[in-house]
Amino acid sequence: AQTVTQSQPEMSVQEAETVTLSCTYDTSESDYYLFWYKQPPSRQMILVIRQEAYKQQNATENRFSVNFQKAAKSFSLKISDSQLGDAAMYFCASGSDMGRRALTFGSGTRLQVQP
Amino acid sequence: DAGVTQSPTHLIKTRGQQVTLRCSPKSGHDTVSWYQQALGQGPQFIFQYYEEEERQRGNFPDRFSGHQFPNYSSELNVNALLLGDSALYLCASSYQGNTPYEQYFGPGTRLTVT
Repeated sequence: AQTVTQSQPEMSVQEAETVTLSCTYDTSESDYYLFWYKQPPSRQMILVIRQEAYKQQNATENRFSVNFQKAAKSFSLKISDSQLGDAAMYFCASGSDMGRRALTFGSGTRLQVQP
Repeated sequence: DAGVTQSPTHLIKTRGQQVTLRCSPKSGHDTVSWYQQALGQGPQFIFQYYEEEERQRGNFPDRFSGHQFPNYSSELNVNALLLGDSALYLCASSYQGNTPYEQYFGPGTRLTVT
């Protein structure tokens, strides 16, 4: 069984600033992936970034990067140079079998970006 | 490429009725997963279909059933609707052969049970 916990229901950041969203997880799987998904008000879930658990190097995608601490089972998302379009719900998720199976989601963090 | 499409967009049903939701996967995808997202919560996995068979199931009652067709599209059926079934139902498609693997989500169907 997998569990994902997001302890920050809401976060706010000024435009152009940096913000970090927290996520902790628990899993008995060995070949799992971790994901951050973004869900804008229009509802369609979009993959932001992916981390393979067997890789020590933290994933980066342009302004988005993660801090993956495997021993601590922590997987935080850093958004640099925040933009108004970053405002959305952000969900942390884990997936076994390299993400091919069910995804287990956290409860989400609502990110507001202030102009 | 149209991406993942779902129909209908919104649906209002009465308690006790039955509902069918539909999903067309992204072109080239062979796997469909369904998720239920209650208001203010993260999505919860219902089941996954691959090669027209249910490959994995989440903690949902038998009232929730599904089907995958030869063209990889899928249906989610819910019988004997309860008020608690009101939610956004998300479909996600993927291709088993992809590395790294990614599930692509559709816009969802908003089901309201009155």
